[in-house]
Amino acid sequence: AQTVTQSQPEMSVQEAETVTLSCTYDTSESDYYLFWYKQPPSRQMILVIRQEAYKQQNATENRFSVNFQKAAKSFSLKISDSQLGDAAMYFCAYRSAGGAQKLVFGQGTRLTINP
Amino acid sequence: GAVVSQHPSWVICKSGTSVKIECRSLDFQATTMFWYRQFPKQSLMLMATSNEGSKATYEQGVEKDKFLINHASLTLSTLTVTSAHPEDSSFYICSASGIRETQYFGPGTRLLVL
Repeated sequence: AQTVTQSQPEMSVQEAETVTLSCTYDTSESDYYLFWYKQPPSRQMILVIRQEAYKQQNATENRFSVNFQKAAKSFSLKISDSQLGDAAMYFCAYRSAGGAQKLVFGQGTRLTINP
Repeated sequence: GAVVSQHPSWVICKSGTSVKIECRSLDFQATTMFWYRQFPKQSLMLMATSNEGSKATYEQGVEKDKFLINHASLTLSTLTVTSAHPEDSSFYICSASGIRETQYFGPGTRLLVL
């Protein structure tokens, strides 16, 4: 079974600075998807970014980018120019390309933005 | 696009009663929807996978007679907590599988059983 590990329970960053959240996963599959979701205090899960494993190019969405290292099974999220609205719980998630489409979530990292 | 609604957002009920939560994909069709439960400061725990027109697939340890799931159309799935008890109090979240193999989440339902 696949597992996702987020080793940083909490992180903090100064406003306007850059922060990187770590995520590693374990799988024997070669084709899969990886996601970062954000859960602010409202508890609404919001998709931040997605990555297809077959793509070598790292995904980017405005201030959010990932460093996808397939061989190392690592999928970190970089947030540039951090804003107060980025404060949230961030979850890394894995999904097989086939099968039941279930998401496997990491434990989450709580990100605090210091003004 | 890819908006999922959930109703109600808050519900308080007496022990022993049943509560129904609706999950709708508003601007896309979802053959597969998912139901999660989340305890405070924890990650999401998948309860069941709901497929349109067929029986839901429950995760190990989830009582199917307790948590009834119906996926009657491509845009609606419902979760009914039957004979609710205080230990069922939690935050329930649904998601729908949409475009690009991505799950989009509803805003969640806070259930408090007295």
